[in-house]
Amino acid sequence: AQSVAQPEDQVNVAEGNPLTVKCTYSVSGNPYLFWYVQYPNRGLQFLLKYITGDNLVKGSYGFEAEFNKSQTSFHLKKPSALVSDSALYFCAVTTIKAAGNKLTFGGGTRVLVKP
Amino acid sequence: DTGVSQDPRHKITKRGQNVTFRCDPISEHNRLYWYRQTLGQGPEFLTYFQNEAQLEKSRLLSDRFSAERPKGSFSTLEIQRTEQGDSAMYLCASSFEGGRAATQYFGPGTRLLVL
Repeated sequence: AQSVAQPEDQVNVAEGNPLTVKCTYSVSGNPYLFWYVQYPNRGLQFLLKYITGDNLVKGSYGFEAEFNKSQTSFHLKKPSALVSDSALYFCAVTTIKAAGNKLTFGGGTRVLVKP
Repeated sequence: DTGVSQDPRHKITKRGQNVTFRCDPISEHNRLYWYRQTLGQGPEFLTYFQNEAQLEKSRLLSDRFSAERPKGSFSTLEIQRTEQGDSAMYLCASSFEGGRAATQYFGPGTRLLVL
């Protein structure tokens, strides 16, 4: 079985400060990891993914994430947060064994960036 | 590239009624997924199609739920005899699976409220 944990329900950060959203996972085998963002009453927008290779993945809108196999983590980061980054962020995992590469999502972390 | 579209965006129905949702994937995407997202939770996998074949169904998909993807293009998700517990956001995603863990692109969702 595959699972994802996002330990923080909400992260508050001041505009211009670094933003980190935490994610840990549990799978059997090699993970494929994803980050999505959801704005109110909208679907999920893809930010970035890790499949293999370089542990630091760069994605859309200045976001990046670091894959750490020993800690089974895939934290999302942004060096300088914007007010417009305020949204709901989801980490997801799948593996080559998962039927159709179906995604298992964490519970989400709400990010609030204050001016 | 027009993205994934879903119709309707909102649906209010009375308990016991049948509802049907439509999803139009990104053209040429051979995989189509349905997920359900309840308030404050991450999306949960319901089912997926490879072309027109439905290859996996979650235990969440009771016998009141049926999904189709005729001709491997658009898909419909029907819920019969709706219950209040069916109230949720229903998300559709599509991907082109030609290798490992292709990115799933999500539509805006259909929000269902069962009274």
